[in-house]
Amino acid sequence: RKEVEQDPGPFNVPEGATVAFNCTYSNSASQSFFWYRQDCRKEPKLLMSVYSSGNEDGRFTAQLNRASQYISLLIRDSKLSDSATYLCVVNKLQGDKIIFGKGTRLHILP
Amino acid sequence: DADVTQTPRNRITKTGKRIMLECSQTKGHDRMYWYRQDPGLGLRLIYYSFDVKDINKGEISDGYSVSRQAQAKFSLSLESAIPNQTALYFCATSDPRVNGYTFGSGTRLTVV
Repeated sequence: RKEVEQDPGPFNVPEGATVAFNCTYSNSASQSFFWYRQDCRKEPKLLMSVYSSGNEDGRFTAQLNRASQYISLLIRDSKLSDSATYLCVVNKLQGDKIIFGKGTRLHILP
Repeated sequence: DADVTQTPRNRITKTGKRIMLECSQTKGHDRMYWYRQDPGLGLRLIYYSFDVKDINKGEISDGYSVSRQAQAKFSLSLESAIPNQTALYFCATSDPRVNGYTFGSGTRLTVV
């Protein structure tokens, strides 16, 4: 099993819809979880950290399920500008190297 | 000015040539990383450095070398470039006390 796995997509979603995707991780000792966003030919940028209690930032909600070893990202009222690749990121210890998933491509359709 | 600056932004080079990609940062972070990104393969770690005297191989270090000239500078060299090293290369920095990496804008390298 790969350390971090994501559905590569693409997810083609109409503007205004809600979309969610998951990321599974194999190491139960993993401590920190993040979602990064990467636009085409650009660098990845931190979108949000994922906390055990779940967290929300505007239209974005991230959740962690330790029992099933996955994290999720929910985007509500999707905008054209949300089109990007979303990278799941995991690390075992605070300050350790992080593991990137290969990303899920999202296309928001007008 | 960007926090993490990579030069050059784009480079085309010939097989067998030596090439250096440079990265400098103004974040004051001790930790620096070099990744390459290929379609369908995601980001793969080439080398990383946790301070000026520390160099570590990542998962795909063969064919690459690095130099950490100062806290702010971390360069990646391809001693003898080959076509399968054509990729998008990213430098990144991190602070273990703070979540998240900061990436440079990337270097698009083509080896012909």
